[in-house]
Amino acid sequence: AQTVTQSQPEMSVQEAETVTLSCTYDTSESDYYLFWYKQPPSRQMILVIRQEAYKQQNATENRFSVNFQKAAKSFSLKISDSQLGDAAMYFCAYRSALLSGNKLVFGAGTILRVKS
Amino acid sequence: GAVVSQHPSRVICKSGTSVKIECRSLDFQATTMFWYRQFPKKSLMLMATSNEGSKATYEQGVEKDKFLINHASLTLSTLTVTSAHPEDSSFYICSARLGGTGHSYEQYFGPGTRLTVT
Repeated sequence: AQTVTQSQPEMSVQEAETVTLSCTYDTSESDYYLFWYKQPPSRQMILVIRQEAYKQQNATENRFSVNFQKAAKSFSLKISDSQLGDAAMYFCAYRSALLSGNKLVFGAGTILRVKS
Repeated sequence: GAVVSQHPSRVICKSGTSVKIECRSLDFQATTMFWYRQFPKKSLMLMATSNEGSKATYEQGVEKDKFLINHASLTLSTLTVTSAHPEDSSFYICSARLGGTGHSYEQYFGPGTRLTVT
């Protein structure tokens, strides 16, 4: 079974600075998707960024980028120019690319605090 | 974009009663919906996967007779917590997956329902 590990329960960053959230995963599959979700205090899950395992290029969405290291099974999220609105709980998630692979496997989450 | 709604957003019920939570995909057809449970500052725990027109698949340790899931149409799934007890108090989140072919099978999340059992 696949597992996702987020080893940082909490992180803090100064406004306008850069922060990196760590995520490692374990799988025997070669084709899969990785995600970072944001859950603000409203508790609405918001997709931040998605990475297809077959793509070597790291995904980027505005201030959010990932460092995907497939051999190391590592998938970190970098937030540049942090804003107060980035404060939230962030979840790393894995999903198999198999047609039967419906499920998202979530990590334990990292609470990100942004200081003004 | 794809929007998923949940109703109600908050519900308080008495111990021993049943409560129903609805999950709707508003602008797309969802062949598969998922129900999660989340405790404060914890991760999402998948409870079950529901496919339209068939029985839900429950995760290990989830009581299917207590958490009844129905997915009667391509836009609606319901979770009924039967004979609720205080330990069932939690935040329940649904997600819906776009139907059809394609590689991404993106999931879209509802805003969640906070259940309090007194």
